[in-house]
Amino acid sequence: GAVVSQHPSWVICKSGTSVKIECRSLDFQATTMFWYRQFPKQSLMLMATSNEGSKATYEQGVEKDKFLINHASLTLSTLTVTSAHPEDSSFYICSARVGSSGEKLFFGSGTQLSVL
Amino acid sequence: KQEVTQIPAALSVPEGENLVLNCSFTDSAIYNLQWFRQDPGKGLTSLLLIQSSQREQTSGRLNASLDKSSGRSTLYIAASQPGDSATYLCAVRPRNTDKLIFGTGTRLQVFP
Repeated sequence: GAVVSQHPSWVICKSGTSVKIECRSLDFQATTMFWYRQFPKQSLMLMATSNEGSKATYEQGVEKDKFLINHASLTLSTLTVTSAHPEDSSFYICSARVGSSGEKLFFGSGTQLSVL
Repeated sequence: KQEVTQIPAALSVPEGENLVLNCSFTDSAIYNLQWFRQDPGKGLTSLLLIQSSQREQTSGRLNASLDKSSGRSTLYIAASQPGDSATYLCAVRPRNTDKLIFGTGTRLQVFP
């Protein structure tokens, strides 16, 4: 099956620093990448949808200037948490859709972010 | 607004039992429904995908059913094993959108 490589798997940073999370589709072209956030014992909440070569579409309540998404190629999408604060501590996970009309989504292994 | 609910929130059973996990959604205008498995601190693995026109899907010991009109899906796990221990999430894809709306999950523990 399709593989989505996400890293780092975990990161601890100081408040005020920026953290970049990468997701790569290893054996397919991901025209669309979805970024989710999951707080402890809660479900995944969609943050934004990115299509290769265009600006990301953010969900209501998600600050686009704080969570910068770049999808510059068909195999790489990045999420940068800028000026991270303790309340940004969460599990971040990406998923990629195979092809422009594919129905299945393949998920990265997630990144646990802890902001001190 | 589509809302997805899963019950029970947690389940602990001895090995060998047959299980039923429930998922309900408020808007029947869906494109498909998927069941995922999530291991602690890990990503998601897709288990079964049911199109809106389908009633059920089967894969090994897993069977998922969909009753779109009543807004319900069930995941049936036969002869549960300790390796089945994980969180099970259902997610619906509303019509005319790429997004998935996830349920709150059922944390399953199967003990030997």
